[in-house]
Amino acid sequence: AQKITQTQPGMFVQEKEAVTLDCTYDTSDPSYGLFWYKQPSSGEMIFLIYQGSYDQQNATEGRYSLNFQKARKSANLVISASQLGDSAMYFCAMREGRSGGGADGLTFGKGTHLIIQP
Amino acid sequence: DARVTQTPRHKVTEMGQEVTMRCQPILGHNTVFWYRQTMMQGLELLAYFRNRAPLDDSGMPKDRFSAEMPDATLATLKIQPSEPRDSAVYFCASAPRGGNQPQHFGDGTRLSIL
Repeated sequence: AQKITQTQPGMFVQEKEAVTLDCTYDTSDPSYGLFWYKQPSSGEMIFLIYQGSYDQQNATEGRYSLNFQKARKSANLVISASQLGDSAMYFCAMREGRSGGGADGLTFGKGTHLIIQP
Repeated sequence: DARVTQTPRHKVTEMGQEVTMRCQPILGHNTVFWYRQTMMQGLELLAYFRNRAPLDDSGMPKDRFSAEMPDATLATLKIQPSEPRDSAVYFCASAPRGGNQPQHFGDGTRLSIL
């Protein structure tokens, strides 16, 4: 079974509109973390936002927010007031377990290709 | 801004040749990761190190791939012998202490095996 599922291979959105990118995850571990990364056409991976499984509030970072619904195992990324520069691939990723001393490897979804139209 | 540095950025070589990719993690980060990105498989974790010790290399084909961290400023990923199916973008990432810390990625090595 897929651990991270991103059901939208591609999306077209008008500039200035809000965007929701879907992500569902599958884990039996009570401790986990969810990450979103952006990959523009230039290829680099840019960290956007993080949500821990025990966090009580949804994470926010500037125009990015994470709609975390634990019972549904979903962690959708919301981008407010989209801009042309938001056009990119977006990846949802998960870290399972609680590791002493540092980060653990991430499992990535297949990504959503977002195109912002003027 | 501190960055993860990967070399080379691009590599084209013939099947059977040895390939070595290098990574300089961000100073002070204690965990280093290697990922591979292909169109078919997406992003896959190959191996990672904490405090230079290998923690997990279960994602790496053992017969031809090897990963090492000879010192805190250098991680290497070697493929010997290389095969066309190894063509991919290889990313190195590093992270500081703390399970909720984001991983910072390098720009990747785009590898083509002819």
